[in-house]
Amino acid sequence: DVKVTQSSRYLVKRTGEKVFLECVQDMDHENMFWYRQDPGLGLRLIYFSYDVKMKEKGDIPEGYSVSREKKERFSLILESASTNQTSMYLCASRPDRPNTEAFFGQGTRLTVV
Amino acid sequence: DQQVKQNSPSLSVQEGRISILNCDYTNSMFDYFLWYKKYPAEGPTFLISISSIKDKNEDGRFTVFLNKSAKHLSLHIVPSQPGDSAVYFCAASWDHGNEKLTFGTGTRLTIIP
Repeated sequence: DVKVTQSSRYLVKRTGEKVFLECVQDMDHENMFWYRQDPGLGLRLIYFSYDVKMKEKGDIPEGYSVSREKKERFSLILESASTNQTSMYLCASRPDRPNTEAFFGQGTRLTVV
Repeated sequence: DQQVKQNSPSLSVQEGRISILNCDYTNSMFDYFLWYKKYPAEGPTFLISISSIKDKNEDGRFTVFLNKSAKHLSLHIVPSQPGDSAVYFCAASWDHGNEKLTFGTGTRLTIIP
């Protein structure tokens, strides 16, 4: 079974802190993604990566950065956490071939106070 | 610009009846469509998908229909069961461009016993 594991289920951070969300997948997928889910807004893409050290901005990259030093690991960084970044963060991976699904981690509920 | 739209935020259906969830898209480049199911505090799980070369795909109680001319897809669940109560997201991708999935805003389905 494909497994996508996010480092924390719940996280509480203070405004201004630097926050790291880690994601690891075990299926050698080329593509990895970070989404956030907010009520009424669905899943919005923050960043994605199609190869090691490669990254592309998604729809809402402001206030975030990412790192992919190894194929299996994709990190999301909140440079200076703000209350409007309180959200459910979802990591996903997907193989680099057509007509395949993406596999999601269990999600990290981040609260910024 | 919302390229994938789910216009019904919520839907209630009697147990045993048919649930029909709808999704519209605007980008004619999309060629692969997926449905995901999400429980609270969990990551989305893949349900069923359809390629643009087909107009119907079935998997047990779940059937997805695609109408390319109308840029519309629907998910039929029959018979509906209490465990189907969840938020359902449709997603689309352009698999000959890049591998990212664009999601709709979700429909909360409640099955009434």
